[in-house]
This record gives sequence, structure tokens and C-alpha cells, in this order.
Amino acid sequence: NAGVMQNPRHLVRRRGQEARLRCSPMKGHSHVYWYRQLPEEGLKFMVYLQKENIIDESGMPKERFSAEFPKEGPSILRIQQVVRGDSAAYFCASSPASQETQYFGPGTRLLVL
Amino acid sequence: GDSVTQMEGPVTLSEEAFLTINCTYTATGYPSLFWYVQYPGEGLQLLLKATKADDKGSNKGFEATYRKETTSFHLEKGSVQVSDSAVYFCALSGKAAGNKLTFGGGTRVLVKP
Repeated sequence: NAGVMQNPRHLVRRRGQEARLRCSPMKGHSHVYWYRQLPEEGLKFMVYLQKENIIDESGMPKERFSAEFPKEGPSILRIQQVVRGDSAAYFCASSPASQETQYFGPGTRLLVL
Repeated sequence: GDSVTQMEGPVTLSEEAFLTINCTYTATGYPSLFWYVQYPGEGLQLLLKATKADDKGSNKGFEATYRKETTSFHLEKGSVQVSDSAVYFCALSGKAAGNKLTFGGGTRVLVKP
């Protein structure tokens, strides 16, 4: 059973460009979570989604960030007009249902030049 | 809101030494508690968990006991190996806050031969 998959593993963008991060949950998991890890810090919750629904986006910055989890395909975290402060590792996790253990992907390391 | 505080590192030990990483939490109700481990350049792996007071989670020689009276979930291992060198994160999942994880800042552990 493949684990949580994220791609790309590394992404370099210039200021003002868009970044698209993809997450494929574990087979049978319909709940996806995104977390951000700034350098030398712990992980901070961003958003929680189920298929076609955003359940909790209390950790998402109000501007430039959006997330989706369509009926078919991976979950996407989209960052528009990136700035240097967006440089971080973005981790996706999945679980089979709410209140269940979350399993993490390897992360996407975004570098904004 | 929910919060997790864990001891700052780095913690440097010799092989076969005893490891303790302190973790305390603040949460509404009775959260589930977790320890995750992050090896260099990788995502987070679940190390162990406990879902109610006095539960003991254990895995790979690591143990932690859910102490409601002291709101703590300290991680211990009796004899560490070089391969235990990693960053360890304490986290909670508060039922009142949905299923999102709240992480501590992480503790870097370095085990020397």
C-alpha cells in the first residue's frame, strides 16, 4: 500500500510566480491535511479537506493561498504571487476518517528566489 | 487555544544513553497525543500515540505515558542508537478543534557513537 505521495519534492520559484503543490493520499483515505514547516520551526496547520469540501481553513493565510481536493485526482495547494517568506516545507497528511491517525507525505520544499 | 511545549534541543547523547524529551500541553477536553519523528530530508513518521489518560504508547523501544494530571506526554528510550538521531515532534489532536494536529517546536536529537 503506497504511502502519501507529494510532488514535486523540490520546487524553485521566483517572486511573483505561482506554486502548485500536489498530494495524493493513501489508498482508502478521504481526508487530507496541509501543514507548513518554516525553517527550524514546528509544523503549523493550514487546511483540512475532504473530497470536494474544505472542512477547516483556519490556518490558511487570507490572501494568495488556496486548496482543493477534487472528486478525482490529487489535492492541490496553490500559492499565487509567491514571496520569499513562502519558502518552507509543505507537508500533506491523510487519514481514513476524521479523528483517525494522520500519515504524512515526504513534503515539498519550496524555495522562492 | 491548543498548544504544545517541548524541550528545546539540540540534545546530544552517547550511544546507549537514556533519552527523555519533555512535552506538556494545553487543550480543551481530552486530546489524543502523538510523537512523530523526522529524519533529515524526510517527512514525519508516526512514532507512537495515546488516546486517553494513563495510556502508554510504545514503539521501537520508545515509550510515552499520557498524564492528565500533569498534562504531559514525555518521550523516553532506555538505550539510544546512532540511528535515533532525528527531530522529534510532540503533537495533539483536540477533538474540540476537529482533527487538526497542533505541534510542538521539535527537539533535535544527536546520538554519537
